Amino acid sequence: NAGVTQTPKFQVLKTGQSMTLQCAQDMNHEYMSWYRQDPGMGLRLIHYSVGAGITDQGEVPNGYNVSRSTTEDFPLRLLSAAPSQTSVYFCASSSRGAGEGEQFFGPGTRLTVL
Amino acid sequence: KNEVEQSPQNLTAQEGEFITINCSYSVGISALHWLQQHPGGGIVSLFMLSSGKKKHGRLIATINIQEKHSSLHITASHPRDSAVYICAPDKSGSEKLVFGKGTKLTVNP
Repeated sequence: NAGVTQTPKFQVLKTGQSMTLQCAQDMNHEYMSWYRQDPGMGLRLIHYSVGAGITDQGEVPNGYNVSRSTTEDFPLRLLSAAPSQTSVYFCASSSRGAGEGEQFFGPGTRLTVL
Repeated sequence: KNEVEQSPQNLTAQEGEFITINCSYSVGISALHWLQQHPGGGIVSLFMLSSGKKKHGRLIATINIQEKHSSLHITASHPRDSAVYICAPDKSGSEKLVFGKGTKLTVNP
């Protein structure tokens, strides 16, 4: 099993550009989530999904969109990048809900917005 | 006020020492996760617990639901234990984790 994979590992964008961060898991997990990690702050939830076709907002959803058309994939879209979105992004999955299953994290994507 | 408080923020130890990292939270939870973030950035799950105590090798995690407190202990610490340790309670009924800011542990040989 590859576990949770994320692409790209690094990305530099200009303000206003859009892009999609990819996340995939091969463990047939229902629960997937996106977090951002900023210096001096804990991980913060952006969006999450409890199954294909079901998504919901987390703590910091503004400026990001998600969709879940398959169990395996959970892409995160930045609609119009802003410098405040410079961060490290982690995707995670678990077999059940956040409090019911071990969390598996992807390796992260380091995004810089100029 | 933060929902999750970890202490200490930074911890330096000598190899072989017994380590304790504390986590206090203010929300009702169904479970609590302890995570380890390596210097390279990768995050792995160490424990998920909802009551009592769990042990894995040299790592022990405990939780007291009534006191809203959890601890992570490392016995016979080793330089390879150097990492950031993150406490993440699951808020009851929310399907969401909340995260502490992490404790940076450095173990010197």
